Amino acid sequence: AQSVTQLDSQVPVFEEAPVELRCNYSSSVSVYLFWYVQYPNQGLQLLLKYLSGSTLVKGINGFEAEFNKSQTSFHLRKPSVHISDTAEYFCAVTGGSYIPTFGRGTSLIVHP
Amino acid sequence: DAGVIQSPRHEVTEMGQEVTLRCKPISGHDYLFWYRQTMMRGLELLIYFNNNVPIDDSGMPEDRFSAKMPNASFSTLKIQPSEPRDSAVYFCASSFSTGGYQPQHFGDGTRLSIL
Repeated sequence: AQSVTQLDSQVPVFEEAPVELRCNYSSSVSVYLFWYVQYPNQGLQLLLKYLSGSTLVKGINGFEAEFNKSQTSFHLRKPSVHISDTAEYFCAVTGGSYIPTFGRGTSLIVHP
Repeated sequence: DAGVIQSPRHEVTEMGQEVTLRCKPISGHDYLFWYRQTMMRGLELLIYFNNNVPIDDSGMPEDRFSAKMPNASFSTLKIQPSEPRDSAVYFCASSFSTGGYQPQHFGDGTRLSIL
């Protein structure tokens, strides 16, 4: 079985500040990891993914994430956020089942 | 490229009525997923199809819910009869043959309100 825990349901931050959204997973097999973003009234869009190789992956809109196998984590980071980054962010994992398991989501709120 | 297309975008109807949600996946994708999103329960997988065949419907909440995929370019999710607790945003997503590394592509959802 696989599971995903997003530790923060809401993260408020000021514009131009750095942000980290935390994601921990559990799986008995090798995993693929994803971050999706959901803007208001839209579906989820792929932000970035880790399949293999370098543990630091870069995505769209200046986001990056680091895969840490020993800590079973895949935290999402951005050095300087914009108002337009306000959205819901979902971490997802696929392992033996091949069907992704999504976390509950983290609401990123960027204040001016 | 056209993404996943869902219709209608919004649906408001009275309790007891039949509701049909529609989805057109991305051409060439052979997996199709139906999700429900609510504040209380987050994103729930209801059912998924592979090559038009339902593979796992264990997430379908009740017999009032049914889903079909008559061909590779069309799927429906039907609720009959509808109840207020069915109010949610319903998403359709599609992907290529999943070895687990293929991301899902989501539609913009149908916001369903049952009065």
